[in-house]
Parts: sequence; structure tokens; C-alpha cells
Amino acid sequence: SQTIHQWPATLVQPVGSPLSLECTVEGTSNPNLYWYRQAAGRGLQLLFYSVGIGQISSEVPQNLSASRPQDRQFILSSKKLLLSDSGFYLCAWVADLAKNIQYFGAGTRLSVL
Amino acid sequence: QKEVEQDPGPLSVPEGAIVSLNCTYSNSAFQYFMWYRQYSRKGPELLMYTYSSGNKEDGRFTAQVDKSSKYISLFIRDSQPSDSATYLCATGNTPLVFGKGTRLSVIA
Repeated sequence: SQTIHQWPATLVQPVGSPLSLECTVEGTSNPNLYWYRQAAGRGLQLLFYSVGIGQISSEVPQNLSASRPQDRQFILSSKKLLLSDSGFYLCAWVADLAKNIQYFGAGTRLSVL
Repeated sequence: QKEVEQDPGPLSVPEGAIVSLNCTYSNSAFQYFMWYRQYSRKGPELLMYTYSSGNKEDGRFTAQVDKSSKYISLFIRDSQPSDSATYLCATGNTPLVFGKGTRLSVIA
């Protein structure tokens, strides 16, 4: 079966520290992968998406970057976190590109203090 | 004009009520329409998806798409407190476009 793993579940980081969030998908190959951020009480903000290894599309200019070093691995990074980077980060994947149905991970709640 | 618009609510109903959640979209080329349910502090989970116009029923949930008016609806019958969550509609190509979500509270 197909599953998505996202970790850590919760993270508290000081301002100016680096960030690395990892997402991996099992049971499928060459999925489309997505990173979203959801601020408290707000909708989903698409940050990055990837249609293949090394292919990253950035939706919002910001303090974050993404990489896809392997087919089923998607990493969200920052060199120096800002207070405004706090939020709920969600990874998602699409296996059936014809239907474009996304499935989400459990999310990482990031607090930058 | 935003591609997908959704009334954010919040919506509060008594247990057993029929709930109607709605979205509008702008691109007539969109073919697949999804509803996601998101409990507090959890990732969204796919509730239902429909293709083109028409209805799809799954237990107490019915998804309806009217492509002529670009209108997407989710109906919940006999609503339960466990249905209390944020509901997001979605459609589009790559990437998918999401509504901002409607927060629903079902009061026992």
C-alpha cells in the first residue's frame, strides 16, 4: 500500500537556526510531491512542488527552499528561520496524475521562537 | 478572481442537522473535484472526489458538482459531533487549487 511519512511531528526552533523537514513516500514511484504551509486559522499555502528528481517549482518567494534528492524523498529547508516561518507544514503526494488527487502527511508543527 | 472560493464559516449546527458546504471555481476546464476533511492539528484527509458533473454518495456524505454554474457542494446528512472539522474543497490541474476551508462545529 502507499503511505507518506513526514517528520518530525513537532519542532521548536530559535530564530536564525536552520531547518530541515523530510517527507518520504512508500509504495509508488515518480509521484508528484508538494510542500504546503498552513498558518493558524488560514488556508493551505503551496510552497513548492516537484514532478521529478531535481525538479522543483517555487510558488512563493520566501526564506525556504526545497530539494528532491531521491524519487520518493522531498526535503524542505531553511538556512535561517524567521518568526514568520512558524506554522503547520504539510507534505502531499499525487500518484494518479490523471485524477490529480493529493494525499497528505500528518504534518509538522513548527514554532519559531 | 480566485480560482476556488469557499465560505470560511465558521458554521455551527445541532447534531442531526443537514449540512451544506459550498465552493465556486473559475476554470471550466477543471474535471476532478475533491473534498478534504481536516481535524484540528492533523493533515487533511481525502473525503470524496467526483469527476465532471453529477452526484456521488458515500454513506452520510454526498458530493455534487454543477459545471454549468461552476459550483461544488458537499452535503452531510444526520451530522454528528465527530463531523466537527474543517472541510476543504479542491480542484484544478498541477498544482491542485484549494479553497480556504469551512470550519464546521456539530453541537451535541
